[in-house]
Amino acid sequence: DAGVIQSPRHEVTEMGQEVTLRCKPISGHDYLFWYRQTMMRGLELLIYFNNNVPIDDSGMPEDRFSAKMPNASFSTLKIQPSEPRDSAVYFCASSLRRAGGQPQHFGDGTRLSIL
Amino acid sequence: AQSVSQHNHHVILSEAASLELGCNYSYGGTVNLFWYVQYPGQHLQLLLKYFSGDPLVKGIKGFEAEFIKSKFSFNLRKPSVQWSDTAEYFCAVQTGANNLFFGTGTRLTVIP
Repeated sequence: DAGVIQSPRHEVTEMGQEVTLRCKPISGHDYLFWYRQTMMRGLELLIYFNNNVPIDDSGMPEDRFSAKMPNASFSTLKIQPSEPRDSAVYFCASSLRRAGGQPQHFGDGTRLSIL
Repeated sequence: AQSVSQHNHHVILSEAASLELGCNYSYGGTVNLFWYVQYPGQHLQLLLKYFSGDPLVKGIKGFEAEFIKSKFSFNLRKPSVQWSDTAEYFCAVQTGANNLFFGTGTRLTVIP
C-alpha cells in the first residue's frame, strides 16, 4: 500500500524564487492536510481540503502561500516569492472521511531551505 | 480555542527505565486522541489512538496511553524504554472537525 507521497524530499533555493511542493494522498482518502514544522513553532496546520475543496486556510501565513488540489490524487503548496523564514519541513497528510475520527497518515515531508 | 499541552519538552532516560509523557488538552466536547512518533529524519507515524470505549489503549512497540476525561489528559507510557525509542512524540486532539491539534512535542532521548 503506497503511503502519502511528497516531492521533492529536499529543496534548496534562493530567496525570491518560487517554490512548489507536491503531494499525492493515499488513494481513497478524501481529506488532505498541509503542515509546516519548525523548531520554534512546532507543527502548524496550514490548510486542509475535503474532496478537493479548501475548507480551512486560516493557518496559511500570508499571501505568498497558496495551495491547490486540482484532483483527488494531487495537491500543491506554492510559495512565491520565498523568504528565508519559510525554511522548514513541510508535511502533507491524508485521511478518510471524518466519521469515526480517522487518523491522518503523513508523507515523508519536504525539507525546504531558502538561502 | 482548543489547545494541547505537552509539558515535558525533553526527557532523557536510561534503557529499561519507565516512561510517562504528559498530555493535557482544553476542549469540553467529545474528542479523539492520538499519539504520533517522529523518529529522527522521518515523518510522523501513528503510535496509538483513542476514540471510545476502554480508556486504556495499547499501541505499537509496547506503548500505551490512558484517557482520563476528568483530567483532560492522555498520558503516554511504556514500562521499559529502549534506545530505539529515541524520537519526538506528539500528542494530538481531534474535535468536531477533522483536523488535528498537535502539542509542541516531547523529545525523548534514551541512553544505552
